[in-house]
Amino acid sequence: NAGVTQTPKFRILKIGQSMTLQCTQDMNHNYMYWYRQDPGMGLKLIYYSVGAGITDKGEVPNGYNVSRSTTEDFPLRLELAAPSQTSVYFCASSLSGPGYGYTFGSGTRLTVV
Amino acid sequence: AQSVTQPDIHITVSEGASLELRCNYSYGATPYLFWYVQSPGQGLQLLLKYFSGDTLVQGIKGFEAEFKRSQSSFNLRKPSVHWSDAAEYFCAVGARDEYGNKLVFGAGTILRVKS
Repeated sequence: NAGVTQTPKFRILKIGQSMTLQCTQDMNHNYMYWYRQDPGMGLKLIYYSVGAGITDKGEVPNGYNVSRSTTEDFPLRLELAAPSQTSVYFCASSLSGPGYGYTFGSGTRLTVV
Repeated sequence: AQSVTQPDIHITVSEGASLELRCNYSYGATPYLFWYVQSPGQGLQLLLKYFSGDTLVQGIKGFEAEFKRSQSSFNLRKPSVHWSDAAEYFCAVGARDEYGNKLVFGAGTILRVKS
């Protein structure tokens, strides 16, 4: 049972480039989340989804887009990378809302130069 | 909306000493409460959670936390710290209402263990 899988683990982007961070879970969880983690700031919610075809913005959605076409996958898209998007990105899933707790992926460390 | 405060950015304790990490939340009712631990370069692992009932919650790795409604707190404790406990610890709160689709995390407390 793989849990939540994120790819890639590391990436360096140039300003203005785009990329997609992949997230897949094999636990049949309905809820999925994208957070970014910056030193001393904890985790900030970017986007989340409560099921296939349903997404909603979190605290810091600007510069990002998501889609949820299947239960398993929840990719995060950066269209025009900026240095402010240098961060560690975590995907998480939950069976049915935060009351069940989250299962986290191992993270993607992104640097924009 | 709910919010979480972890007042201590860094804490250093000696190996074998007791530990208490503070967490205060803001929410109009009793929330879901969680503690997660993150080792360097890793994702977050759930230590324990509070839903309802007994206010003293036991978790993995010998950790426990106590929910105190009157103080809006959910402090994490361990009676004897091991060097392997050095990590960053996050408190998180979830709402029990129509906004309860996500967790809000504190800024984290970095625990250093000295031998």
